[in-house]
This record gives sequence, structure tokens and C-alpha cells, in this order.
Amino acid sequence: NAGVTQTPKFRVLKTGQSMTLLCAQDMNHEYMYWYRQDPGMGLRLIHYSVGEGTTAKGEVPDGYNVSRLKKQNFLLGLESAAPSQTSVYFCASSYMDRKNTEAFFGQGTRLTVV
Amino acid sequence: GENVEQHPSTLSVQEGDSAVIKCTYSDSASNYFPWYKQELGKGPQLIIDIRSNVGEKKDQRIAVTLNKTAKHFSLHITETQPEDSAVYFCAAIGYNAGGTSYGKLTFGQGTILTVHP
Repeated sequence: NAGVTQTPKFRVLKTGQSMTLLCAQDMNHEYMYWYRQDPGMGLRLIHYSVGEGTTAKGEVPDGYNVSRLKKQNFLLGLESAAPSQTSVYFCASSYMDRKNTEAFFGQGTRLTVV
Repeated sequence: GENVEQHPSTLSVQEGDSAVIKCTYSDSASNYFPWYKQELGKGPQLIIDIRSNVGEKKDQRIAVTLNKTAKHFSLHITETQPEDSAVYFCAAIGYNAGGTSYGKLTFGQGTILTVHP
């Protein structure tokens, strides 16, 4: 059972560089999310998707873009990385059913921008 | 939007003692409250949840209580063990009349629980 898989697990970027984080889920979930985790601030929602081809902004979307071309994949892009984007990024997925509300998280991607 | 406050930020207990973590929320429309456990180097994992039509829920050594009037909910861990050491997050979701919220979680700041043998 793979669940939610994130790649890469670690990355160091220079300011201004770009990169894409990949999230893949094998549970046929409709909903997918990207959160960032910073010390003392819990997890904050960056962007989310309620289905293939749809995306929406979360609480802290600036500096990030996302795409969901396939139901099982959700990509998070940083076009021009800044030191403020140093964080641990988590992808999650869940059912679109209020009876099945559990969100399943990936292992995280630790990103450092120098 | 929703705001969730979590206390304490760190909690240190002796093995066998109880641990209590408290959260408050701001949006009275929130009606689902999950608790997640995050072990070092891993993603958060759901350990227990409660809906607004229930005041208390228990699962072995873990229990959650909800006070809708005061807008706060708490996690209780009894007979703590070293393997309970982790970061614990509370969260809240508000589902509308149509049954959708898109599952967007608002998290508390987290509590680092350390259980000493």
C-alpha cells in the first residue's frame, strides 16, 4: 500500500531557481492538497484540488503554482524560489465524502532555499 | 476564516501519566475535529476524530472531548508510553449544508509530547 508518495524527499535550491514537487496517490481520492509546515505554525494550506483539472488557492498561495492533469497526481511548482519558502511540504489526499473524511499525508519534502 | 489555537506547545510527562492537549476554534460552523500524530521524519497520521453531534469519543488509551458552546476540544492520552512521544496536531473542518468543505483542514500550532521512561 503506497498511499501518498512525494518526490523528492530533500532538496536544496538557490534563490531564484525553480522546481516542481510531485505528489502521487493510489487511493482514487478526488481531493488533494499541498500544505507547508513551519516551526510553531502548524500546517498551512497552500493550494488544493477537488478533481482532475481543477485547482484553488489556500491560505498561503503566493509564490506557488499547482497543476492536476491526472487524478492521481498533484504538482506544486516554485517558479522563483525565495528563502521564505524554506519549509517542509506535505501533500495529502482525501475522499469527497463527509462520511470518509480522513486525510492521508505523504512523508514530506524538506526544501531549503539558500 | 477558521482559526485554531493549540496549547501547550510542549508537554513532558512520565511514563504512565496522563497527557492533555487543548484546542480552541473560532468558526462556529466547524463540525469535524481530527487529531493527527506526527512522528519524526514522517507525515501526520490521523489518530482520532470527533464530530459536532458527539461530546466525547474514546479509542483505547485515547479520548477526545468537544464543547461546542465554548468552541474547544481536547485530546486525552492515559497511561502514556514512550512510543506516544511525537508532535500532535488538532484541526478543524467546516462542512456546509451540501456536505462539502473540500476537506480543507485548519491546523493548530502543534504540541511536542515527550514521555520519559
